[in-house]
Amino acid sequence: GQQLNQSPQSMFIQEGEDVSMNCTSSSIFNTWLWYKQEPGEGPVLLIALYKAGELTSNGRLTAQFGITRKDSFLNISASIPSDVGIYFCAGHPRASSGSRLTFGEGTQLTVNP
Amino acid sequence: EAGVAQSPRYKIIEKRQSVAFWCNPISGHATLYWYQQILGQGPKLLIQFQNNGVVDDSQLPKDRFSAERLKGVDSTLKIQPAKLEDSAVYLCASSFAKHTGELFFGEGSRLTVL
Repeated sequence: GQQLNQSPQSMFIQEGEDVSMNCTSSSIFNTWLWYKQEPGEGPVLLIALYKAGELTSNGRLTAQFGITRKDSFLNISASIPSDVGIYFCAGHPRASSGSRLTFGEGTQLTVNP
Repeated sequence: EAGVAQSPRYKIIEKRQSVAFWCNPISGHATLYWYQQILGQGPKLLIQFQNNGVVDDSQLPKDRFSAERLKGVDSTLKIQPAKLEDSAVYLCASSFAKHTGELFFGEGSRLTVL
């Protein structure tokens, strides 16, 4: 099955710093998504990308869908303590029956005030 | 708008016992998913329903896991008998459309098998 390689596994940063994380795959995806999970909660969708090359922002978050359709990155600018959590990338292969959303292993973000 | 509801939040059982988890999706969402999330890993799809029909259960260990969504609304996931390696958070999610990655997750049910 498809596998997503997410890096880095963990990040320890100071409040106010910018953060960048990425996700790569050996398979092509039609949709890339980024979720955030806080302790004791389910993942929450942050950004969805539907077109190769697409760059989308949501407040301090910016994500891009790679031109090759095999990668995506997420940037967080001017980090704040509430950005702490695990960030998951997810890829959806195609809009057809049986296509399954695949999650990466996550990037654990710690922000020191 | 009410979110995805799951219960129980926590369950501790001994191996070989059985357990059941319940999920009520967001109203109007036809697609319902059960994911297993082992500590330190991303969620892994166990089963996907479209209304009351199964779309994908290829990763469901059918010798011990079962799930149903009889009336096309709420769903139950059962494990019988449980093994130590079933210790995980079981996440239910729903979406409005079938072929979308835009999922709304519940808080999850944390299972510990001793």
